[in-house]
Amino acid sequence: SQQGEEDPQALSIQEGENATMNCSYKTSINNLQWYRQNSGRGLVHLILIRSNEREKHSGRLRVTLDTSKKSSSLLITASRAADTASYFCASPTMRNQGGKLIFGQGTELSVKP
Amino acid sequence: GAVVSQHPSRVICKSGTSVKIECRSLDFQATTMFWYRQFPKKSLMLMATSNEGSKATYEQGVEKDKFLINHASLTLSTLTVTSAHPEDSSFYICSALGQPYNEQFFGPGTRLTVL
Repeated sequence: SQQGEEDPQALSIQEGENATMNCSYKTSINNLQWYRQNSGRGLVHLILIRSNEREKHSGRLRVTLDTSKKSSSLLITASRAADTASYFCASPTMRNQGGKLIFGQGTELSVKP
Repeated sequence: GAVVSQHPSRVICKSGTSVKIECRSLDFQATTMFWYRQFPKKSLMLMATSNEGSKATYEQGVEKDKFLINHASLTLSTLTVTSAHPEDSSFYICSALGQPYNEQFFGPGTRLTVL
């Protein structure tokens, strides 16, 4: 079963605006990862944040993690039309079973030029 | 990062036939490969975990006789959908995990349509 819940399910913004996506999870985690998926394609790993980290940056991406609230957010700043994609959070299973990941439901981001 | 390929990228078959999907790690040895299924506008659902040289571990509710997984080498895993039916139509994605990497790398997916 999927343990991650993401909101919003869909987000539509104008180019240049910031996009924020949220992910909540139910069990304790060692790390949380964010992935991007272009329509009909595979997943691309964006960023990993460990349970002892609160914030991490990578280019225009900023990820936060609040383990007390069991939630994470992904912020894309100065969005571009090319950022249009689905974004998923994922975390290893509770017992970290050999790399298994459980994915959130995803946020479908549309950036309009 | 590493590259994982899938073949074919899309396949259309008749009901009752079997379809084989290949997942290859191109530049690293994948000790573990994962197979996922994804419905339109939905998340990835893990179907099974495949370790090289051993039987795959299937997630609850996934029929192992329906979805045959073989991981005969460190660079290749196959998923065979046996006696496919229209409800098996979906997007199937594999991922691979192995040294020296700590993250999974995903294939581009295979779109299966069963008529």
